[in-house]
Amino acid sequence: KAGVTQTPRYLIKTRGQQVTLSCSPISGHRSVSWYQQTPGQGLQFLFEYFSETQRNKGNFPGRFSGRQFSNSRSEMNVSTLELGDSALYLCASSPTPNTGELFFGEGSRLTVL
Amino acid sequence: KQEVTQIPAALSVPEGENLVLNCSFTDSAIYNLQWFRQDPGKGLTSLLLIQSSQREQTSGRLNASLDKSSGRSTLYIAASQPGDSATYLCAVKGAGSYQLTFGKGTKLSVIP
Repeated sequence: KAGVTQTPRYLIKTRGQQVTLSCSPISGHRSVSWYQQTPGQGLQFLFEYFSETQRNKGNFPGRFSGRQFSNSRSEMNVSTLELGDSALYLCASSPTPNTGELFFGEGSRLTVL
Repeated sequence: KQEVTQIPAALSVPEGENLVLNCSFTDSAIYNLQWFRQDPGKGLTSLLLIQSSQREQTSGRLNASLDKSSGRSTLYIAASQPGDSATYLCAVKGAGSYQLTFGKGTKLSVIP
């Protein structure tokens, strides 16, 4: 059974650009959540989707957005990139929002120059 | 607001030693607690999940305990090996919450 797949694994952007990251959950998992990991702040919750609906959002500016498709795949977008957006972006999936265990992908490493 | 603390931030032990990693949380109204392992530049690997009604979970050389009333969890690693070297993260899911709150992790080095 394939795990959570995130693409791209690495990317470099410049300030002001925008970026889209993709996440394919484990087959059968319908809940997808996103986290940002930085050395200073650690892991912080971005948002969570279930059945194509955003059910919860963390304390991030509106430049961070996401969506979920009918096949449960999810994308997140960051517009007007800032240097501080450089981070590892991790996607996690679970069968439903209330199912306990989360399974994470390898992450997308974003560097903003 | 839930806060999760992991002490120590780093730990170095000789191979073969048994060790305990600590995790504490401020709000005891939790749904579950999950321990993860993260290798450098990699994603998170789930190690153990403890539901709020459980006291402990075991998987191989790993044993995790949960004491909700005191807001503490421990991860016990028996007979440590160099391959156990990684950062170990504790995460709590609050009751009624959809998100995990993570600690900053404990970086473990097992010396051959």
